[in-house]
Amino acid sequence: SQTIHQWPATLVQPVGSPLSLECTVEGTSNPNLYWYRQAAGRGLQLLFYSVGIGQISSEVPQNLSASRPQDRQFILSSKKLLLSDSGFYLCAWVGTVSSYEQYFGPGTRLTVT
Amino acid sequence: QKEVEQDPGPLSVPEGAIVSLNCTYSNSAFQYFMWYRQYSRKGPELLMYTYSSGNKEDGRFTAQVDKSSKYISLFIRDSQPSDSATYLCAMTIGGYQKVTFGTGTKLQVIP
Repeated sequence: SQTIHQWPATLVQPVGSPLSLECTVEGTSNPNLYWYRQAAGRGLQLLFYSVGIGQISSEVPQNLSASRPQDRQFILSSKKLLLSDSGFYLCAWVGTVSSYEQYFGPGTRLTVT
Repeated sequence: QKEVEQDPGPLSVPEGAIVSLNCTYSNSAFQYFMWYRQYSRKGPELLMYTYSSGNKEDGRFTAQVDKSSKYISLFIRDSQPSDSATYLCAMTIGGYQKVTFGTGTKLQVIP
């Protein structure tokens, strides 16, 4: 069966510090991968998605970036965090060509102070 | 106008009640509809997914889609305290198109 991992689970970082969040998927190959941010009362905001290694599409071009160095690894980064980057970051995958259901990881709660 | 509207609640019901959760949407191109359950501080968990109009049942859960009214519902029968969570509706045109989520309805089932 497929599983999706995210780490760290929680993170407290000062404004201006860098960020690296990691997502890995097991039990599948060539998944579509997604990064979302969930803020209270605002639903899920799609940040990036990737259909393959090195292929990244940005939905929200802010101070965040994403990379996909391996087939089942997706990384979310920032060089300098802003207060507004606080939130719950979720990674998701879609497995098969005809599938549309997205499956989410456990999330990373980021607090920028 | 948001593409997907969902009442944020909170919705409080006694144990054993029938719960109705709803979303409306504006994009008539949406064909695939999903419901997620999210416990506090956890990632959303896919509960049910349906294609086009009609009903789909899974245990105590029934998903209903009315494309003519652009309205989807999730019914929970014999609600349990363990059903207390936020429920998110989601929908997409299909394939790998962007999935649009509602903001979620918080449900509390009181023992």
